Amino acid sequence: AQSVTQLDSQVPVFEEAPVELRCNYSSSVSVYLFWYVQYPNQGLQLLLKYLSGSTLVESINGFEAEFNKSQTSFHLRKPSVHISDTAEYFCAVRSLAAGNKLTFGGGTRVLVKP
Amino acid sequence: DAMVIQNPRYQVTQFGKPVTLSCSQTLNHNVMYWYQQKSSQAPKLLFHYYDKDFNNEADTPDNFQSRRPNTSFCFLDIRSPGLGDAAMYLCATSRGGGAPGELFFGEGSRLTVL
Repeated sequence: AQSVTQLDSQVPVFEEAPVELRCNYSSSVSVYLFWYVQYPNQGLQLLLKYLSGSTLVESINGFEAEFNKSQTSFHLRKPSVHISDTAEYFCAVRSLAAGNKLTFGGGTRVLVKP
Repeated sequence: DAMVIQNPRYQVTQFGKPVTLSCSQTLNHNVMYWYQQKSSQAPKLLFHYYDKDFNNEADTPDNFQSRRPNTSFCFLDIRSPGLGDAAMYLCATSRGGGAPGELFFGEGSRLTVL
């Protein structure tokens, strides 16, 4: 069975400071990893994904995540956050062995303070 | 342009009064999903369709049903909503076959049960 653990349920951070959201997964086979962002009363938007190739993936708004197979992690980072980054962030995993189902972590709420 | 459209965005119903939520997609994806997301929790998969094949999650209550009359549309029917069914309901789509890619989510339908 596959599972995703997001170690921090809430992360307060000051504007222009860096942030890291931790994500660890468990799956015995090849995985595909995703970070989604959810603003209040909205659906989930894909932030970035790892399917294959380079282990470092980047989004258009300054976020990046690195797939680390040996540590089974896919941590999300941003060197300088904006107020508009206040949202809930979900890490998720899919694998063929798990029937292609998308399994979410519990989410991390990021609150950016001025 | 919205690719996965959910209606209504907000639905208020009375205890026990049936409700139907709709989802349409312009992506021509094979797979459509319904998720339930309660406050401050991760989305929980209720069921999905792969083309016309319906796949129910083992722990989805019988109170929840779904229909997919064609590729573009999928409906979630809640036959007798209880107070515990108040949640955000998210529709998502993905391509079928090949390596798993991302899911595309709609904006969600927030259900209130009085």
